Amino acid sequence: DVKVTQSSRYLVKRTGEKVFLECVQDMDHENMFWYRQDPGLGLRLIYFSYDVKMKEKGDIPEGYSVSREKKERFSLILESASTNQTSMYLCASSSSGREADTQYFGPGTRLTVL
Amino acid sequence: DQQVKQNSPSLSVQEGRISILNCDYTNSMFDYFLWYKKYPAEGPTFLISISSIKDKNEDGRFTVFLNKSAKHLSLHIVPSQPGDSAVYFCATLNYGGSQGNLIFGKGTKLSVKP
Repeated sequence: DVKVTQSSRYLVKRTGEKVFLECVQDMDHENMFWYRQDPGLGLRLIYFSYDVKMKEKGDIPEGYSVSREKKERFSLILESASTNQTSMYLCASSSSGREADTQYFGPGTRLTVL
Repeated sequence: DQQVKQNSPSLSVQEGRISILNCDYTNSMFDYFLWYKKYPAEGPTFLISISSIKDKNEDGRFTVFLNKSAKHLSLHIVPSQPGDSAVYFCATLNYGGSQGNLIFGKGTKLSVKP
């Protein structure tokens, strides 16, 4: 079974703080993704990576950065958290090739920025 | 502009009846579609997919139908069970990005009443 884990289920931070969200997958997947989910907006792609040290912007990268130093780990960084970044953050991974179509998600991190 | 649209934010059905969730897309180049199911406080899980070479794919109680000319797909759940109550996301592969990049609809919240 594919397992994608996220470092925290719930997180509360203050405006201006630097926030790290960690994601680890154990299936040797090449591709990893960060989404945020907001009511009425569905899942929106923030950043993704298809190889170590590679990253590409998704639909809403502003205010975020990412790091992929190892294949199994993909970190999302909020350099200076703001209240509009309060959201559910979801990490996903997928293999390359046709199986890349199926992404496996972690349980999510509910981030609240005060 | 939304490329994948789920126009019904919510749907309520009686246990044992059929649930039909709809999804429309804008780009006729899209050729692979997926449905994900999401419970509160959990990450989405892959449910079923369909390639454009088919017009139907079935897996147990779940069937996805694809109408390419109408750029429309639907997910049928028969019979519906209370445990099916969740948010359902329709998704497709984004050929504008790197491999494995999915575009999600905003989701439909299904409630199955006992």
